[in-house]
Amino acid sequence: DAKTTQPPSMDCAEGRAANLPCNHSTISGNEYVYWYRQIHSQGPQYIIHGLKNNETNEMASLIITEDRKSSTLILPHATLRDTAVYYCIVLLSFNDMRFGAGTRLTVKP
Amino acid sequence: NAGVTQTPKFQVLKTGQSMTLQCAQDMNHNSMYWYRQDPGMGLRLIYYSASEGTTDKGEVPNGYNVSRLNKREFSLRLESAAPSQTSVYFCASSEAGVLSNQPQHFGDGTRLSIL
Repeated sequence: DAKTTQPPSMDCAEGRAANLPCNHSTISGNEYVYWYRQIHSQGPQYIIHGLKNNETNEMASLIITEDRKSSTLILPHATLRDTAVYYCIVLLSFNDMRFGAGTRLTVKP
Repeated sequence: NAGVTQTPKFQVLKTGQSMTLQCAQDMNHNSMYWYRQDPGMGLRLIYYSASEGTTDKGEVPNGYNVSRLNKREFSLRLESAAPSQTSVYFCASSEAGVLSNQPQHFGDGTRLSIL
């Protein structure tokens, strides 16, 4: 029972913004949206999370639609080291945290 | 992945052998977690510890036991390893408990093969 839907793969040119979409149409009012990424052979890396408002940190921006049924992770200036699998997760508590298949982002020179 | 350290990084076992995977975090986090990652399956929660002294089953606990030794350390034990337990195991921690919105931080994993 996947809570999120992401495209399986995306490409992005180095230096350009990478916009990764995620659909979560069944999200409940108190569930957060989290984004993680996993670079080959490493552990998942936390990127950003939000509830209703858009969020920005040193890594990325998170845009959540007003109805909260979808969100977009934005890497403003993608580099080759951003090539990874990106996971969008919605959850209320971490004891129910499940990673799906994610989006494989390839940043190309 | 500074903060969560897993040992060993690689291990090969024979069916029926036992072993313990170690995990330690230095971020003073309350909650710790064990996941396994298999191709095409994403990460699946095995066990978690919401706070020191407590442990609870996750999605796939069969064949595993855990010990929250202290606030820093959370170990995963395979009593009698089976080939189906061949996987990459990740330990994670979070600051303020399973109901907090504070994110999890992961170690770099233990790659375990059961022959």
